[in-house]
Amino acid sequence: QVQLVQSGTEVKEPGASVNVSCKTSGYPFTAYYIHWVRQAPGQGLEWMGWINPNTGATKSGQKFQGRVTFARNMSITTVFLGLTFLTSDDTAVYYCARAPTVVTLDENWGQGTLVAVSS
Amino acid sequence: QSGLTQPPSASGTPGQRVTISCSGLSSNIGSNPVYWFQQLPATAPKLVIYRDTQRPSGVPDRLSGSKSGTSASLAIGGLRSEDEADYYCAAWDDSLSGWVFGGGTKLTVL
Repeated sequence: QVQLVQSGTEVKEPGASVNVSCKTSGYPFTAYYIHWVRQAPGQGLEWMGWINPNTGATKSGQKFQGRVTFARNMSITTVFLGLTFLTSDDTAVYYCARAPTVVTLDENWGQGTLVAVSS
Repeated sequence: QSGLTQPPSASGTPGQRVTISCSGLSSNIGSNPVYWFQQLPATAPKLVIYRDTQRPSGVPDRLSGSKSGTSASLAIGGLRSEDEADYYCAAWDDSLSGWVFGGGTKLTVL
């Protein structure tokens, strides 16, 4: 079955960087995009960007440009989110979500990774 | 980044029908399909409606989606206690070249 399994909780200090992984299985890795979505405590969902695991092409939301990177490792069917210059506003649960195309979403999401930024 | 507009809360009694609205722009809801997600506490969002009206397998037909112009709605009929959750609408925005979400509606089953 399709699975997206994310890495564990991260606790970071302001100004640091974080990497979150999303291990995929149960489907052709290169056939689906991965979107990243985050949710601050008690807040709604916020789209961050996407990666095409086939080509490596990426696109981030304007709010995150210059601070976020998306990458993939085809040999281990895993995608990665990197976020730099963390502030307390980046404290959130980060989700990866599979998508047939950039403009669609499907029901397969990771379980979420909590990133807590605190001094 | 502009988002979609949802009421912050909705409520109903068991067996009732409730509707949650989602308002957007011509660049998002007006020209792209709407998706609805259900989120229980401390869990990942679960897709319950895609492409405006379609239900993934396993989602009961008590849940239905509709769209007209730049607004969409999620209806839940025969309300049950397990429907108590946060609900989010989402759509691709052509102007932003990205996804926009509603702020979420907390559904309470009284």
